[in-house]
Amino acid sequence: NAGVTQTPKFQVLKTGQSMTLQCAQDMNHNSMYWYRQDPGMGLRLIYYSASEGTTDKGEVPNGYNVSRLNKREFSLRLESAAPSQTSVYFCASSDRTPDTQYFGPGTRLTVL
Amino acid sequence: EDKVVQSPLSLVVHEGDTVTLNCSYEVTNFRSLLWYKQEKKAPTFLFMLTSSGIEKKSGRLSSILDKKELSSILNITATQTGDSAIYLCAVGSSNDYKLSFGAGTTVTVRA
Repeated sequence: NAGVTQTPKFQVLKTGQSMTLQCAQDMNHNSMYWYRQDPGMGLRLIYYSASEGTTDKGEVPNGYNVSRLNKREFSLRLESAAPSQTSVYFCASSDRTPDTQYFGPGTRLTVL
Repeated sequence: EDKVVQSPLSLVVHEGDTVTLNCSYEVTNFRSLLWYKQEKKAPTFLFMLTSSGIEKKSGRLSSILDKKELSSILNITATQTGDSAIYLCAVGSSNDYKLSFGAGTTVTVRA
């Protein structure tokens, strides 16, 4: 099992460009999450999907959109990237409860 | 809004020392408190503490939940250089499917 996979690993964008971060899990988990991690701020939840077909805003949703494509895949889209979105993005998944989340390897995004 | 505060923000110790990390929280309808270890990449799960399981131990790591004080500690004994990492504390509420994370404590263990 690969667990949680994310693509790409690294990305550099110019201000105003758009991109989609992809996440997939092969553990048959119901819930999936997108976080961003900035120095000194821990992990902040952007969006989550408690189950297939549902999505909800987290702590810092502005500037992002998500799609729960199916049970395995949960994508994060930046429509018009801004330098404030420079960060490391982690996708995670969990089974029936959110307590034990399994994280992907992360995507390091730089917006110039 | 749920709140998780970790202390200290960082510390440096020598191999063999004992480390104690603190996590305090404010959450409505507490469900769980979790500790994660983050080395270069993704956080990995260490412990989950709940009302029915307030102490956990695995090797040199142990953790206790104090529901009265709304806090938890993570202890690492006989530290090794491989313990160098960011340690994250998170709390879950019965109200939703989310975890709220603290800012983390960076532990550096010097040989």
